[in-house]
Amino acid sequence: AQSVTQLDSHVSVSEGTPVLLRCNYSSSYSPSLFWYVQHPNKGLQLLLKYTSAATLVKGINGFEAEFKKSETSFHLTKPSAHMSDAAEYFCVVSDPRRTGGGNKLTFGTGTQLKVEL
Amino acid sequence: DTGVSQDPRHKITKRGQNVTFRCDPISEHNRLYWYRQTLGQGPEFLTYFQNEAQLEKSRLLSDRFSAERPKGSFSTLEIQRTEQGDSAMYLCASSLREQFFGPGTRLTVL
Repeated sequence: AQSVTQLDSHVSVSEGTPVLLRCNYSSSYSPSLFWYVQHPNKGLQLLLKYTSAATLVKGINGFEAEFKKSETSFHLTKPSAHMSDAAEYFCVVSDPRRTGGGNKLTFGTGTQLKVEL
Repeated sequence: DTGVSQDPRHKITKRGQNVTFRCDPISEHNRLYWYRQTLGQGPEFLTYFQNEAQLEKSRLLSDRFSAERPKGSFSTLEIQRTEQGDSAMYLCASSLREQFFGPGTRLTVL
């Protein structure tokens, strides 16, 4: 079975300071990993994905994440937070071996990011 | 707008009533997924279609739930004899590769 654990349910940062949202995964194979963002009253949006190519993945809006197999981690970072980054962020895992069976996503419980002036 | 759309956006119903939700995927996407998200949790997988074929169902999908995708385009999710525990956000996603999500239907069962 595959799973992800988001280590913080809430993170608060000041605008202009770095953002770190932590995620650990559990998988018996090399997984596909994603970060999605959910703004209030809007659909989930894909920020970035890791699919066994480069371990440092760059996404939209200045976010990036690093896949560390030795630590089973896939933390999301951004050098400088903006007020518009306030939202809920989900770390997600899927099984890339599933062919013809779709890529069922397994979500973490989410991290609510608050950005203060 | 060429994204995934869902209708209705909000539904309030009384316990025991039946409800049906609709999802219109991005037109060229052959895969369609339904997820359920309860307060304070991440979305949980319910079921998956490839074209019109329903290929996988979660154990979360009790016999009161049924989903269809009759022509491989839009999909419907029906809940019969709703219970208060069915109150949640129901999300639809479509994909060729990455999944694109709709805005969801928020169900409240009184």
